[in-house]
Amino acid sequence: LAKTTQPISMDSYEGQEVNITCSHNNIATNDYITWYQQFPSQGPRFIIQGYKTKVTNEVASLFIPADRKSSTLSLPRVSLSDTAVYYCLVGDPLSGNTGKLIFGQGTTLQVKP
Amino acid sequence: GAVVSQHPSRVICKSGTSVKIECRSLDFQATTMFWYRQFPKKSLMLMATSNEGSKATYEQGVEKDKFLINHASLTLSTLTVTSAHPEDSSFYICSAIGGGTTDTQYFGPGTRLTVL
Repeated sequence: LAKTTQPISMDSYEGQEVNITCSHNNIATNDYITWYQQFPSQGPRFIIQGYKTKVTNEVASLFIPADRKSSTLSLPRVSLSDTAVYYCLVGDPLSGNTGKLIFGQGTTLQVKP
Repeated sequence: GAVVSQHPSRVICKSGTSVKIECRSLDFQATTMFWYRQFPKKSLMLMATSNEGSKATYEQGVEKDKFLINHASLTLSTLTVTSAHPEDSSFYICSAIGGGTTDTQYFGPGTRLTVL
């Protein structure tokens, strides 16, 4: 399973765009990249998933370069309620491990007023 | 997105008792469910992978006789913490995958277990 590396923490201010980069140098051909958000005492919430290039949904964008060895989660115009831990994970839902994901340390984002 | 529920949301029990936690996929059939444990200010640790109708696969260091997992149907998996001790106090989270070409893993809200 590909290991991921993210910054431990980031600070931002309300209204700013936040970009969190994740390194996954050993990503396998069939691996997808998925980002989750977790608030204290809650289960992780799915944000976005992608395989290559760019994916955008109503809450975030995910940028994946051609070599797929890293990815960047972009949160536009963050608010105080975006303060949370963000996890980047890679995995293959169709592998023998049937989608097993190993969580890294995550990035604690603190949004200030 | 798909919804996964857990019951109970929090439980307090005495040392030596057993506690059962349920994980349900509410609007999809989960071919695979996962159980995680999370200690305060730490990341999620995968405990086991559960496939419907077969034995669970436990991660290294997780005692299968202590953490009994049953995946009896495509919408329900249970985790039973047997003979719980204070060190088993933690936040237990399940997740589920429905099956398909680009499966996304959806997580339950978690269960806070406190063993006195």
